[in-house]
Amino acid sequence: DIQLTQSPSLLSASVGDRVTLTCRASQGIGSYLAWYQQKPGKAPKLLIYTASTLQSGVPSRFSGSGSGTEFTLTVSSLQPEDFATYYCQQLNSYPLTFGGGTKVEIK
Amino acid sequence: QVQLVQSGAEVKKPGASVKVSCKASGYIFTSYYMHWVRQAPGQGPEWMGIIYPIGGGTNYTQKFQGRVTMTRDTSTSTVYMELSSLRAEDTAVYYCAGGLRSMDVWGQGTTVTVSS
Repeated sequence: DIQLTQSPSLLSASVGDRVTLTCRASQGIGSYLAWYQQKPGKAPKLLIYTASTLQSGVPSRFSGSGSGTEFTLTVSSLQPEDFATYYCQQLNSYPLTFGGGTKVEIK
Repeated sequence: QVQLVQSGAEVKKPGASVKVSCKASGYIFTSYYMHWVRQAPGQGPEWMGIIYPIGGGTNYTQKFQGRVTMTRDTSTSTVYMELSSLRAEDTAVYYCAGGLRSMDVWGQGTTVTVSS
């Protein structure tokens, strides 16, 4: 199975900060990576697919990059509604797997 | 709008089975693959498997092989996930999620509690 390692596991930041989250795959997955945002008690919400394609309706302050084994999700200017947990997911091969998550909290 | 609506919360005893439904609306049912994902309390999401609406083929993660069955009813645009031989560790929120290149749309989640 492909393992996804997210770092950091916890990120403390302020409104307006630029933040970058990292996801590393245990083997190459091309660009078959998605990013999700999850708030407490809610289902995950798709932000980015195929590593860098912004899902319709998602603010442009979110961007994704990377390929192969290293990927990043960047939020250019954190807004109050962005404090949440973020998960990466590989869709290159079964079983699909998720990373352990990065919780973005208010500093 | 595109929507997935799941059945309500369940409480089951160890050894029992649970069947969760997920009704799709707002799009052509056969357009999206349908995944099942579960999330135990305080944990990250865990992919359980996928069902292809056209033909009904499935792919389950090995962890649930022999205990999970995913089916679909194209006449009602509904997919089902049945998990048998429940144990306490199966207590989780179960989600259906649809999409092609990712999981674009998610159901609201169904809480399954396994307790004696």
